[in-house]
Amino acid sequence: EADIYQTPRYLVIGTGKKITLECSQTMGHDKMYWYQQDPGMELHLIHYSYGVNSTEKGDLSSESTVSRIRTEHFPLTLESARPSHTSQYLCASRFRGKRIDEQFFGPGTRLTVL
Amino acid sequence: KNQVEQSPQSLIILEGKNCTLQCNYTVSPFSNLRWYKQDTGRGPVSLTIMTFSENTKSNGRYTATLDADTKQSSLHITASQLSDSASYICVVGDRGSTLGRLYFGRGTQLTVWP
Repeated sequence: EADIYQTPRYLVIGTGKKITLECSQTMGHDKMYWYQQDPGMELHLIHYSYGVNSTEKGDLSSESTVSRIRTEHFPLTLESARPSHTSQYLCASRFRGKRIDEQFFGPGTRLTVL
Repeated sequence: KNQVEQSPQSLIILEGKNCTLQCNYTVSPFSNLRWYKQDTGRGPVSLTIMTFSENTKSNGRYTATLDADTKQSSLHITASQLSDSASYICVVGDRGSTLGRLYFGRGTQLTVWP
C-alpha cells in the first residue's frame, strides 16, 4: 500500500469558511497532484507540482490554491468555501519506475459545504 | 480530443462468475494504459500498467489486454469475489507533454452479489 496520507477524511463546513486539506507522502516523490472527483464522474486534475516551490494549475478551473514548501507535503486551501466546492478531493504522487511512472493515490477527502 | 470511454457504466454479477470490462480511447500520442480499482470512499489503487508494446498483463485474477491499433483495452476478472465490488477506472497516459498527462475514464461500477 502506498504511503500517501490525506486529512481530514471527511469534512462538513459552512459557506464562507477557510479550509486546508492536507496531503503528505513519505516516498520522496517529486511529482504531486490534486484531483477533484464527483460521483460517477472522471477525475479532474486541479493542481500539480514537480517539486519544492513548483505549483501549476490543472485542467479544471478551481478557486483553490496549493503550496509545496517541502517535498513530502502538498496542502490545498480554499479561502472561502461554497456549496459548489462539495466534492471528493484526491491527492496523488508519482515516481519514475524502471519502465514507466507509477502514480499512487491517497484515500481522499470528502468535502461537504453547507 | 483526448478521451477515454468505458463500458458498461455498471455491471452486476454473481459471486464466482467472470466478467469483462471495456475501455476505448482516443489519446494520442499514446504512452501507456492503466487500470485502477477504486473502492467506495477510497482512492484508486493500481491493478495493471501496460505500454504500447504490451498486449496483456495479469495481476492475480485480473487480466488486462491492450490493442494499440484499435485503441481498445479490456479488463477480465476471473472467479469474482464480493471484495471485487468497486469502480474500475481505465486511465491512458500520453507522451506528448512533459507532464506525462493522464486521461481518466468515468469507470465501470461492478457489484458482485453472493
